[in-house]
Formats: sequence, structure tokens, C-alpha cells
Amino acid sequence: GDSVTQMEGPVTLSEEAFLTINCTYTATGYPSLFWYVQYPGEGLQLLLKATKADDKGSNKGFEATYRKETTSFHLEKGSVQVSDSAVYFCALSSRRGDSGNTPLVFGKGTRLSVIA
Amino acid sequence: DTGVSQDPRHKITKRGQNVTFRCDPISEHNRLYWYRQTLGQGPEFLTYFQNEAQLEKSRLLSDRFSAERPKGSFSTLEIQRTEQGDSAMYLCASSQTRGNVNEQFFGPGTRLTVL
Repeated sequence: GDSVTQMEGPVTLSEEAFLTINCTYTATGYPSLFWYVQYPGEGLQLLLKATKADDKGSNKGFEATYRKETTSFHLEKGSVQVSDSAVYFCALSSRRGDSGNTPLVFGKGTRLSVIA
Repeated sequence: DTGVSQDPRHKITKRGQNVTFRCDPISEHNRLYWYRQTLGQGPEFLTYFQNEAQLEKSRLLSDRFSAERPKGSFSTLEIQRTEQGDSAMYLCASSQTRGNVNEQFFGPGTRLTVL
């Protein structure tokens, strides 16, 4: 079945450091890929998405490129801030037959802590 | 606020009791999903609806779990004879089937603690 593997945390960085959170996936067909973020005490929020190979999703300085050849969707940010401290989840949704898009399959999440 | 809302936000119950959670999706969204998230894990899919029809149930959804969306708007998730292993955050999400992207919007969750 479909699955998502992301690097385990926690990840601790100093402010303005470069961030990479690795995510690889296994899926049948051509999934859409997502990064969700969960800030302390809040619900999951969509951070960015990509729907086909070589698409780059971006938002709030974060970027991720859909790499079909390596089945990856790594999250990057050039300069993190304390306010980026959160848990980040990689997820996918695959098209399947006539039932349309499937529910999301999530990775386990990566906790990021940014210190001033 | 026009986001997804869930009620209650927290529920503490004793083992063996029944509990029911409610989810109100974004009003124009026709799809509604339930997920469960345990500590240190990502959300896991339980079931989803398109309008009032329940399209899919995960193997995680035991016979003690039942979900409804009677008028295609709000949904309820009931757990009968709760067990300690049911303690988790129950998340609801909704989406609109438009184009090729399944973009789901999540509610704040209901945290269940079974004593």
C-alpha cells in the first residue's frame, strides 16, 4: 500500500540556519504530495503541495520539489525563524479508479525546534 | 470562523463507556474525513464521506466505531465500549472535489482520554 517515510526528529536548529526535512514515498499511480504543519496547540495546516513530477510547492519561505525519479518530496527553508518551531508532516493522496482521490497517508512527523 | 470545527475539544471517559464526537466541515465541502492521531505518530485514516455516503472505512475502524453524516453536512463519530487503546486525538477534515487535487482542511481535533 501507499506509505510515507520522513526523517525522524527532533531537529534543533539555530535561527537563520538552513532546514531540510527528508520525505520519501511509495505509491501506486501518480500521487499528489503535501507538507502539513502543526504548530503547538493548533490543528494541522497545509503548508504546500505539488501535484505532478517536477512541480515545486512553496509557501512562507518553504519549498519542496516533487521528484518522481527518487520518489521524494524534501522540505527546505533557507533561513528558519523561531516561529517555524512546529511538527511537520509529509503526506500523499493517490488517485484510484472511479472513487477519485484517496484519503491522505501521513508520515510520522518531524518536530522542529528553532532556538534564538 | 468558517473553518472545520469539532466538539468537544477534550473528552475524558472511563473504560467501557460510549462517546460521541461531532465535526462540522467547511460549508461548501462535500467530503468529510476522520483520522486518528496517537502521540508521536502521524494521523491515520479512519473513514470518509462524500455527502451522506460513507465511501471507505479503514481496517483500523473496529466494530465498536461508527460514523454518520446523515444530511451531508456535520458528522458524528461514536465509539462504543471504549478501551484504553482508544485514547488519541480524533481529527476531522473536509475537502471539495474540484480538479485533481484533494486538499483537505483540518479541524482542531478532539482529544480522547480513556481511564
